[in-house]
Amino acid sequence: TQLLEQSPQFLSIQEGENLTVYCNSSSVFSSLQWYRQEPGEGPVLLVTVVTGGEVKKLKRLTFQFGDARKDSSLHITAAQTGDTGLYLCAGEGGNEKLTFGTGTRLTIIP
Amino acid sequence: DTEVTQTPKHLVMGMTNKKSLKCEQHMGHRAMYWYKQKAKKPPELMFVYSYEKLSINESVPSRFSPECPNSSLLNLHLHALQPEDSALYLCASSQEGANEQYFGPGTRLTVT
Repeated sequence: TQLLEQSPQFLSIQEGENLTVYCNSSSVFSSLQWYRQEPGEGPVLLVTVVTGGEVKKLKRLTFQFGDARKDSSLHITAAQTGDTGLYLCAGEGGNEKLTFGTGTRLTIIP
Repeated sequence: DTEVTQTPKHLVMGMTNKKSLKCEQHMGHRAMYWYKQKAKKPPELMFVYSYEKLSINESVPSRFSPECPNSSLLNLHLHALQPEDSALYLCASSQEGANEQYFGPGTRLTVT
């Protein structure tokens, strides 16, 4: 069974601060996605990383895929209140399924 | 257009009712999914359709019955549900395989 553990589970920080969310597994994934979900809405795809060691930037968000394709991180610079939400990593293991991470609930305090 | 639409947005039903959830995408995606999400938890996969054929059923109780009438539409028929089935039901689609899924806004289902 493929598992993805995210840490921290909850994070509450002041606007303007930086933060990093981690997504770890003992399994190898062919690709990994990050989603953000707001209450009562569906997850919104932020990024897909495919190559080990890959780094992708989306404005103030930086995503990294581990060299062994077992882990990933999301770094947010100068957090804004609009960044508040549930962040989910999800790995594709080649079996038509996405394995979702346990989730990180981020709250940015104005 | 990267939109997946779902109707209804909210649904309240009794345990003896029959209702259906609908999902539509016009991105030409060949895979469509139903997920169930409980509060503060990640989505749990229920069904996968690939090229309009059911390819994965995650041991979902028969009171949930999926249907894929064509490549753009996905339905979930509900019958004799239990209060513990109350959840956010999400539909998603992807080009092929499980990679890069696009989710609809969900249907908030309450079973009374």
